[in-house]
Amino acid sequence: DTGVSQNPRHKITKRGQNVTFRCDPISEHNRLYWYRQTLGQGPEFLTYFQNEAQLEKSRLLSDRFSAERPKGSFSTLEIQRTEQGDSAMYLCASSSLKDTQYFGPGTRLTVL
Amino acid sequence: SQQGEEDPQALSIQEGENATMNCSYKTSINNLQWYRQNSGRGLVHLILIRSNEREKHSGRLRVTLDTSKKSSSLLITASRAADTASYFCATDAVRGTSYGKLTFGQGTILTVHP
Repeated sequence: DTGVSQNPRHKITKRGQNVTFRCDPISEHNRLYWYRQTLGQGPEFLTYFQNEAQLEKSRLLSDRFSAERPKGSFSTLEIQRTEQGDSAMYLCASSSLKDTQYFGPGTRLTVL
Repeated sequence: SQQGEEDPQALSIQEGENATMNCSYKTSINNLQWYRQNSGRGLVHLILIRSNEREKHSGRLRVTLDTSKKSSSLLITASRAADTASYFCATDAVRGTSYGKLTFGQGTILTVHP
């Protein structure tokens, strides 16, 4: 399978703990995006990488959130001091210059 | 914030019927994409239509784009129970440096009854 993969698929954590998610994009794609989706809503943009450079961060991405893409390959999204409001599906997508974004299966985060 | 609005919010039809979903957006766009999402899963890309295109087909899907009205429609012909899912439109707005950030609507929940 050469699609976008995300790990873990599910994460349950207690409020105040730190969590880290991983995204492996399609190998030849230089663009990588993170989105967040809450129940009954469409995904909302969080951040974007072109190769290893993080070019934009949404206002949704508070100081507790950080994302990296070392060497322009996989990416990680870390949430520090999780809050119940962070509970959501975190989606990763990748694309080439042809614009179509391909999404991974998502990581569902539940903060207790 | 959500740029697009899908209409209707929910649609229930019988297998074999056609399903039409509409999407409106607010700003000028480079392209508009439609995605399908089965319950609790990731998004599957269906079709991309660029701002200089008016209509596009892919299998049982037909997408139209009217940039003067800032609207798009997705038609699924001869629907099947397996088409049951949420459908989202997503726009890539025109910016000085376009990099493909998508803004999604709230989606249309389609239920196809066997």
